[in-house]
Amino acid sequence: AQRVTQPEKLLSVFKGAPVELKCNYSYSGSPELFWYVQYSRQRLQLLLRHISRESIKGFTADLNKGETSFHLKKPFAQEEDSAMYYCALRNAGSARQLTFGSGTQLTVLP
Amino acid sequence: NAGVTQTPKFQVLKTGQSMTLQCAQDMNHEYMSWYRQDPGMGLRLIHYSVGAGITDQGEVPNGYNVSRSTTEDFPLRLLSAAPSQTSVYFCASSYGNTQYFGPGTRLTVL
Repeated sequence: AQRVTQPEKLLSVFKGAPVELKCNYSYSGSPELFWYVQYSRQRLQLLLRHISRESIKGFTADLNKGETSFHLKKPFAQEEDSAMYYCALRNAGSARQLTFGSGTQLTVLP
Repeated sequence: NAGVTQTPKFQVLKTGQSMTLQCAQDMNHEYMSWYRQDPGMGLRLIHYSVGAGITDQGEVPNGYNVSRSTTEDFPLRLLSAAPSQTSVYFCASSYGNTQYFGPGTRLTVL
């Protein structure tokens, strides 16, 4: 069965410091990985996906199949990055169901 | 485009009561889904639909029913509410690799 693990429930960093939100997955097939973000009082929205190899709001994430990880990184955190972040996995061969991790609440301190 | 809309925003029920959470989207997306969000557990898939007339169970379907008579609407019915169903419920529709989420319904069952 597919599974997504986000080991940190809470993460606090100071403004300007690097931040890394960890995500590990278990899946035997060919997964697609995503990061979703939920800012305070806003709806959940897509941040980035591994297949696009993009950088959104300064965040990047690289899929490491050897370590089965998809960590989210940003070199210089900003206060507006404070939010709940969810890592999610989709079976590339199936319909569009997502399996979500338990989420990491990021707080960027001034 | 209104995107994905959900009603009500908040609801309090007594154990044993039934109710329907409404979800609608105006983007003509075929795929729609319902999730519940619980602290420390992330989002878990309840039911999903790949098109009008077609629904299937997700990870946690017990106690919930769905139907999909039109592309636009995907209501979620609680047959006999239980305190364990206290949660925040999100509806989503999907196009390509991206899921678009509604604002959520916060349900409390006493």
